[in-house]
Amino acid sequence: ETGVTQTPRHLVMGMTNKKSLKCEQHLGHNAMYWYKQSAKKPLELMFVYSLEERVENNSVPSRFSPECPNSSHLFLHLHTLQPEDSALYLCASSQVAGARTEAFFGQGTRLTVV
Amino acid sequence: KNEVEQSPQNLTAQEGEFITINCSYSVGISALHWLQQHPGGGIVSLFMLSSGKKKHGRLIATINIQEKHSSLHITASHPRDSAVYICAVKMSGGGADGLTFGKGTHLIIQP
Repeated sequence: ETGVTQTPRHLVMGMTNKKSLKCEQHLGHNAMYWYKQSAKKPLELMFVYSLEERVENNSVPSRFSPECPNSSHLFLHLHTLQPEDSALYLCASSQVAGARTEAFFGQGTRLTVV
Repeated sequence: KNEVEQSPQNLTAQEGEFITINCSYSVGISALHWLQQHPGGGIVSLFMLSSGKKKHGRLIATINIQEKHSSLHITASHPRDSAVYICAVKMSGGGADGLTFGKGTHLIIQP
């Protein structure tokens, strides 16, 4: 248990569906991240929220829409996804206090787009 | 070319062996992380380093900032150490920039 909880753990969705991934942390951190891990590729940063404001969007397609309503919760809204979006989506949190802050990861959501 | 390179990509060893996994990076960093990912996906942070050496149980991590290189060592390896070990760096500049990851080293320890 790392203190970062993701739901659901597994999700199968059709290309026309709309779904949301949820991430929750109770570590008192003020930065939260979405990462994507595709097969045979390194983890890739998708979105960063610091102090509830989005500070980075690594050219992620608009079919992925993040939301950070408060410092403890982070969502990733999904719509009209493609099969190549099937991957493990990981949430992480950290405390933004200088550069040397440890990141804590959730268990991930295994997404399959059919 | 990936900014973070790990070697080896795959490693199979016998229980009890001393394991070394290497990580090289090509950018200025403020910290380097070693992470462990088990089947199922969850990631656990093992170490965060900005200089020198850290030890936790049978795990040792070292970093040489001048050579842009870090190693993760496992002493008296055990089958439960089987996992993917990932090196990740936080680039210089601070703030909430996310991490840049290596591709991981898939370690299997056989009984």
